[in-house]
Amino acid sequence: DSGVTQTPKHLITATGQRVTLRCSPRSGDLSVYWYQQSLDQGLQFLIHYYNGEERAKGNILERFSAQQFPDLHSELNLSSLELGDSALYFCASSPQTSGGTGELFFGEGSRLTVL
Amino acid sequence: AQSVTQLDSQVPVFEEAPVELRCNYSSSVSVYLFWYVQYPNQGLQLLLKYLSGSTLVKGINGFEAEFNKSQTSFHLRKPSVHISDTAEYFCAVSVGTYKYIFGTGTRLKVLA
Repeated sequence: DSGVTQTPKHLITATGQRVTLRCSPRSGDLSVYWYQQSLDQGLQFLIHYYNGEERAKGNILERFSAQQFPDLHSELNLSSLELGDSALYFCASSPQTSGGTGELFFGEGSRLTVL
Repeated sequence: AQSVTQLDSQVPVFEEAPVELRCNYSSSVSVYLFWYVQYPNQGLQLLLKYLSGSTLVKGINGFEAEFNKSQTSFHLRKPSVHISDTAEYFCAVSVGTYKYIFGTGTRLKVLA
């Protein structure tokens, strides 16, 4: 158990809909990362938050948005869903205060299926 | 821009045989390097990391990796694999910012 909690574990929805994925980082971790894992694209970095502020952005679509709340949990919002958005979405947290050297602790992911 | 290439998408190997999973990276600056493992229906967990110092890094479960700056490689090795090592392995690079870039993964299949 990494200590990172993601909900829901599975989600099935229709095209055009909007969903919210939630992540609770390990106790004390200030950094939260979101990744999308699909069969053809591997693990794609979406976005990173540190203590409530956005710090880095990857290949995140404009239809997607995220935020980190004062209690440090994070939510990834996916809207106007398309079939191609079906994937496993991972959240990871890290305790690091200096960039790039620390271990990422991953949740078990939220599997999104868009029909 | 930084990138990570894992040359093999799948590697089958017999139990108790040695294995090497290849990883090459591209970066114009110094990097930190990681290997993660993902077992079925689980999240990724850290196997080992290279930050600085000795180029041979030992990790959990008997895995090790060697950083080769001239070849821009960070290959993962294990001298004798077990069935339980069947998983997907990801190489990742960080360049000192908050951005970790992962390779596309290598599926290791250990055969009895």
